[in-house]
Amino acid sequence: QSALTQPASVSGSPGQSITISCTGTSSDVGGYNYVSWYQQHPGKAPKLMIYEVSNRPSGVPDRFSGSKSGNTASLTISGLQAEDEADYYCSSYTSSSTLSWVFGGGTKLTVL
Amino acid sequence: EVQLVESGGGLVQPGRSLRLSCAASGFTFDDYAMHWVRQAPGKGLEWVSGISWNSGSIGYADSVKGRFTISRDNAKNSLYLQMNSLRAEDTALYYCAKAGGLPQKFAYYFDYWGQGTLVTVSS
Repeated sequence: QSALTQPASVSGSPGQSITISCTGTSSDVGGYNYVSWYQQHPGKAPKLMIYEVSNRPSGVPDRFSGSKSGNTASLTISGLQAEDEADYYCSSYTSSSTLSWVFGGGTKLTVL
Repeated sequence: EVQLVESGGGLVQPGRSLRLSCAASGFTFDDYAMHWVRQAPGKGLEWVSGISWNSGSIGYADSVKGRFTISRDNAKNSLYLQMNSLRAEDTALYYCAKAGGLPQKFAYYFDYWGQGTLVTVSS
């Protein structure tokens, strides 16, 4: 159950677009369309932003989008806003053990 | 409104035990899998354990396998985590999370989270 690999930090100016990558293996990201993304503001619980690679729950702005290619998933935020500044985590189901999930190490998004 | 309220955290000595609880409301509890996810101070998220709606499928992270036991009481709308042989590295905020998707269908994401209960393992 090795953690998925995310960049430690990304930054962008308001209105710009950024992309956060999430790299795994064929046992997790590459093997299933079960990648999800979570936003976490300081001192708060995580919030689901994207599920099953590219689906947005109701209430999540369409500025947030997800995709996957091979063993790497990506979260793109377009039209950056100040309130997007937060930590972002990817997660994937993994076949490494029976009924098992793995998270990425998290990416700190700074809106300049 | 979905609500998940964790309790049972606290300061415990290494090697001792602790039982966490999660009280669920606002949805049909016995239709959904549930999970525990933890976050060490200043660190990232780590999936700990999950249990299907009928307790028929259970999984654990390698880091807690053999020491932690997940269970649920659907009559009480409650999820539990029995933690034995606690170690300093188990110190974390423990979140209860609801699986998403359709009722009694396996889903691979967590759509609602509680606010967490803090477990500190120290002598």
